[in-house]
Formats: sequence, structure tokens, C-alpha cells
Amino acid sequence: EPEVTQTPSHQVTQMGQEVILRCVPISNHLYFYWYRQILGQKVEFLVSFYNNEISEKSEIFDDQFSVERPDGSNFTLKIRSTKLEDSAMYFCASTPDEKLFFGSGTQLSVL
Amino acid sequence: GIQVEQSPPDLILQEGANSTLRCNFSDSVNNLQWFHQNPWGQLINLFYIPSGTKQNGRLSATTVATERYSLLYISSSQTTDSGVYFCAVASDSWGKLQFGAGTQVVVTP
Repeated sequence: EPEVTQTPSHQVTQMGQEVILRCVPISNHLYFYWYRQILGQKVEFLVSFYNNEISEKSEIFDDQFSVERPDGSNFTLKIRSTKLEDSAMYFCASTPDEKLFFGSGTQLSVL
Repeated sequence: GIQVEQSPPDLILQEGANSTLRCNFSDSVNNLQWFHQNPWGQLINLFYIPSGTKQNGRLSATTVATERYSLLYISSSQTTDSGVYFCAVASDSWGKLQFGAGTQVVVTP
């Protein structure tokens, strides 16, 4: 069964460094998303992406964040200058219609 | 934004027991989904159910959109059902999902 794949599974970085989280959505899906979950808290929406542009973003998704679909398969989330509070599990998701399929996540730890 | 409240926050079940999880939401929705987050952190989509009733094996779900709630039923629970169950809603079909705080379920042998 097709699945959303995310790499790396774990990323440790120093505060102020840039990180890029990578995702390969399911191939025939048209809508892509990034969500995050701080340890012990609810899952929070970051950004949605359709037709090669951002369709919606949350207040969390400030100028430090950006998304890109550099080719026909990858979907990336970049954090330019990481902060301690960016430590979280970051989930990529995709859907062909309404039902959302999540990847297994990237655990980001900012030291 | 839409407020999502889930109850109970925690549930401990003996293997074989049945349970009902509830999700209340504050405004009309066109998208409602239930997810299971397993102990390894994976989010598994259980149901897309903005209205009506669906069943999948031992799990079933009912959404009464006019009364702004959804129920998830777990029957004959197994230890593999342990984890956190999230309800998530959106006002439009492809919009951002607003997640509830989840129900932590522990199924004991």
C-alpha cells in the first residue's frame, strides 16, 4: 500500500541552524500538508500546499518557515534559524481528496 | 477557529471490553476524521466521517453533524488498540484540520 515517507526520522540540530525536513507524498495525491506535535500536546496545522503554492498557513508558520516542491515527488519544510521551541515531531501528510494520510514523522530536537 | 473537545481524556480498558469515545465541535464542519496515534507515534487514519455511520472491523464511528458531535466505538478491545485517538475537523473539505487533545487509551491483558 502506498505511503507517505519522511526523512530523516530523527534530526538533532543546534539553535540557530537551518534544517530541511523531507517528505515524499503518495504519488497521485494533490494536496500536501505539514503538521507538528510538541511532546504531549495536540497535533497543530502548519501549512497546506496545492498546485505548487501555499494555500493556507497558520500563525506558527512565520518567516522562519518555508515549503517547497523542488521536483515531482519531494515536498520539503525548511526552518531557517531553529529555536528551542521548534523541537517537535513534524508530520507530512497528503490527500487525493479529503482523507488525510500521514507520514511517520521527523523528530526534531533543537539544542 | 473551531473548538474540538474530546472525552474522556484517559481510558483504561480490559482486553475484550467495549468503549465509546466522544468528540464535540463548536461549529459546522465539512470534514471530520478520526486518527489513532500508536505508541510509536504514527498517525493512522481510521475514518473520514463528516456525517453518518461507518464501520471498519471492530471499529465504528457515527457523526451527527447537526448536533456537532462524533462518536468512535471500539468493540472487543485488544492490546494493539492502545494509543491516543484524535478527532480532527475542518470547515471545508481540504482545509486545515483542527485536532482535539485526544483520548489516551490503554488496553490491559
